[in-house]
Amino acid sequence: QQQVKQSPQSLIVQKGGISIINCAYENTAFDYFPWYQQFPGKGPALLIAIRPDVSEKKEGRFTISFNKSAKQFSLHIMDSQPGDSATYFCAASDSSNTGKLIFGQGTTLQVKP
Amino acid sequence: GAGVSQTPSNKVTEKGKYVELRCDPISGHTALYWYRQSLGQGPEFLIYFQGTGAADDSGLPNDRFFAVRPEGSVSTLKIQRTERGDSAVYLCASSLDRRREQFFGPGTRLTVL
Repeated sequence: QQQVKQSPQSLIVQKGGISIINCAYENTAFDYFPWYQQFPGKGPALLIAIRPDVSEKKEGRFTISFNKSAKQFSLHIMDSQPGDSATYFCAASDSSNTGKLIFGQGTTLQVKP
Repeated sequence: GAGVSQTPSNKVTEKGKYVELRCDPISGHTALYWYRQSLGQGPEFLIYFQGTGAADDSGLPNDRFFAVRPEGSVSTLKIQRTERGDSAVYLCASSLDRRREQFFGPGTRLTVL
């Protein structure tokens, strides 16, 4: 019940295209859903996050869509750029408890020029 | 630098040795987390500190792993009798409190020969 399932494992998108990564969770106590971007040899960097009181959050080219009833959330990267090529992790936490993050397995995104 | 820092960046040790990994959180952040990331996987929670106390150590794999945060700032993760399976990147994250965003350090890559 603590798992967060992420798909796809890898993704190749043309420059200017839309990248979509999906995550699903089981624990209904989760109330915080961040996305992290990680480059090789670096620590994860917070990209964008959402709480279940809203269904969508947009920051620049990055949008999170959240479906509470389906227990799913997704990251959309609009106008994908080669510099977006990285590994993306979704995560979830119960902030009323310890706030520890449960991460998905990661998606390696390659944006072709 | 205002970010989370970790030292050393790389640590190579021999099986059976003792290692210490250090984390300097962002100033003022009371919550501190340790995660472990194996190659090609998402980070996995190890331990959470709120202030000086370990509020949740449920992720520590066994009693060879121990962590301290004596003054509520710097934290040290200690691994006794290292095994080859301990090889991974050890990540530290801090946040203002458990309900807020977690910011990760660059990690310490531990290699046990």
